[in-house]
Amino acid sequence: QQPVQSPQAVILREGEDAVINCSSSKALYSVHWYRQKHGEAPVFLMILLKGGEQKGHEKISASFNEKKQQSSLYLTASQLSYSGTYFCGTDFVNDYKLSFGAGTTVTVRA
Amino acid sequence: DAGITQSPRYKITETGRQVTLMCHQTWSHSYMFWYRQDLGHGLRLIYYSAAADITDKGEVPDGYVVSRSKTENFPLTLESATRSQTSVYFCASSGGGLTGANVLTFGAGSRLTVL
Repeated sequence: QQPVQSPQAVILREGEDAVINCSSSKALYSVHWYRQKHGEAPVFLMILLKGGEQKGHEKISASFNEKKQQSSLYLTASQLSYSGTYFCGTDFVNDYKLSFGAGTTVTVRA
Repeated sequence: DAGITQSPRYKITETGRQVTLMCHQTWSHSYMFWYRQDLGHGLRLIYYSAAADITDKGEVPDGYVVSRSKTENFPLTLESATRSQTSVYFCASSGGGLTGANVLTFGAGSRLTVL
């Protein structure tokens, strides 16, 4: 069952912040975040394994709330290089396969 | 070269024809996956494999067949292609590792058009 991501798209000016949400109707074991540039393959950003844990990648961080069955990705002081489509991937049963959301397209403008 | 490679990168075929997309990885990763990517649907899992000779269905397996006779190869076959199978197909692999640390590395993708 695919997780639900919101918003579908966001447009930012350089230096602005954004939040991308990922929620599930089933209990989550872990949440992955990937970024895909246009015409390229998705690339791993970070994984969150515990409730409330936060991780960071450059000025991109994420949180994972087990009780609410959701994760949020925070883009802080966005840069042009942050443009792309962000996917959350969820693991429900400590399994090795991931179900991905529909993605959030982020456009950062100068 | 080390990594995960897909072939062909682009393919145009006709309805009813058989098509095979190849995936090869050089890391000896245990786990391999096939996803399709369509606008509005993100990445949807077609089939996956935990090891040679072990495969299982994902979210959208209908119309597809896979095999894994060798750890490094995981071909995906469309036995009778339909227009709804026009998509970008991504192969991925994972070493598994610690619990929950199943980070996926994706191939460059195969863009398939069925006319």
